[in-house]
Amino acid sequence: SQTIHQWPATLVQPVGSPLSLECTVEGTSNPNLYWYRQAAGRGLQLLFYSVGIGQISSEVPQNLSASRPQDRQFILSSKKLLLSDSGFYLCAWSVQLGDRHSGANVLTFGAGSRLTVL
Amino acid sequence: AQKITQTQPGMFVQEKEAVTLDCTYDTSDPSYGLFWYKQPSSGEMIFLIYQGSYDQQNATEGRYSLNFQKARKSANLVISASQLGDSAMYFCAMRPYNFNKFYFGSGTKLNVKP
Repeated sequence: SQTIHQWPATLVQPVGSPLSLECTVEGTSNPNLYWYRQAAGRGLQLLFYSVGIGQISSEVPQNLSASRPQDRQFILSSKKLLLSDSGFYLCAWSVQLGDRHSGANVLTFGAGSRLTVL
Repeated sequence: AQKITQTQPGMFVQEKEAVTLDCTYDTSDPSYGLFWYKQPSSGEMIFLIYQGSYDQQNATEGRYSLNFQKARKSANLVISASQLGDSAMYFCAMRPYNFNKFYFGSGTKLNVKP
């Protein structure tokens, strides 16, 4: 069965410090990988997604970057955190594109990383 | 453009009653999937139910059913016999089959009263 791991679960960082959140998926190969951010009490904002190693699509210009150094590893980074980077970060995976006969292609989430920037 | 609209920011329901959470979507893609997720206070996103745009019957999963009206572009979630543990945020999402992205609504916060 497939599992997704995300860490750290909680992080408190000062403004201007770097950030690295890591996500790995087990039990599948060549997944689509996603980073979402959720501000308190709000919906999900797609930050980045990746369809393969080294392939990153950025959805929102911001202070963050993403990398996919291995097939099942997705990293969210920042060189200098801003107060506005605080939030709940969710990594997720899905199978690659399919047609209408390929089933649900469900998006499966990690447990999330709660980042507070002070 | 793809858009998901959830017009109910918050809802209350009495325990053991049924509740409907609204979701409408906008897409020009003929093939797509519709999803509902539950987010309890812990923050985890839990997949509840899926409906394909070509599915003839409404999806059901235990106490969850999806009232799919394709012509109206609506995909409402129905929770029967509400339980206290159903209190959570609920998100509607859509994925066009030709796209890698999932589009989410703003969510509905459901409170189940004892």
